[in-house]
Amino acid sequence: GNSVTQMEGPVTLSEEAFLTINCTYTATGYPSLFWYVQYPGEGLQLLLKATKADDKGSNKGFEATYRKETTSFHLEKGSVQVSDSAVYFCALSPMNSGGYQKVTFGTGTKLQVIP
Amino acid sequence: EPEVTQTPSHQVTQMGQEVILRCVPISNHLYFYWYRQILGQKVEFLVSFYNNEISEKSEIFDDQFSVERPDGSNFTLKIRSTKLEDSAMYFCASWHYRDSGRAFRFNEQFFGPGTRLTVL
Repeated sequence: GNSVTQMEGPVTLSEEAFLTINCTYTATGYPSLFWYVQYPGEGLQLLLKATKADDKGSNKGFEATYRKETTSFHLEKGSVQVSDSAVYFCALSPMNSGGYQKVTFGTGTKLQVIP
Repeated sequence: EPEVTQTPSHQVTQMGQEVILRCVPISNHLYFYWYRQILGQKVEFLVSFYNNEISEKSEIFDDQFSVERPDGSNFTLKIRSTKLEDSAMYFCASWHYRDSGRAFRFNEQFFGPGTRLTVL
């Protein structure tokens, strides 16, 4: 079956530091890949997505590139802010012609940014 | 921008009681989902629903759970007799699948803000 593996947290960084959260996946075919963010006490928000190999998703200074050869979708940001403190979930959704496509999530990585 | 809404935001119930969690998906979406997140753990798929029937369900979705689309807008998750381990955040999601010629095109699932269920 499909699975997503992401680095364990928590990750603690100083403000303006560089962020990388690793994510690798196992899936058949060509899944779509996502990063969701969950701020304290809130629900899931889509941060960025990529639907095919070599696509780069980006939003709010975050980026992730769909690497089919390494089955990876690492999240990066050049300079984190305190407001980026949240839990980040890597996720995938299979691409098929059947219709419904449940999302498979990783375990989440908690990011804490300190001033 | 259209969004998925869920009510209530927080539900507290006694063990053994029935609860109904409500969701209003985005109006032109065709597929509906429930996910669960036990505190501090990952988000898990519960069930998908299309054309007024369950499309897929996980092993978590046992006989205590049921889903329904009672009218054209609401999508509900019912837990008949809640257990302590049902305490979690429950997320509703919806999705609209579009077939554009040979290229299957779709948008990502849109998630609601969640209902936090606390079973005492």
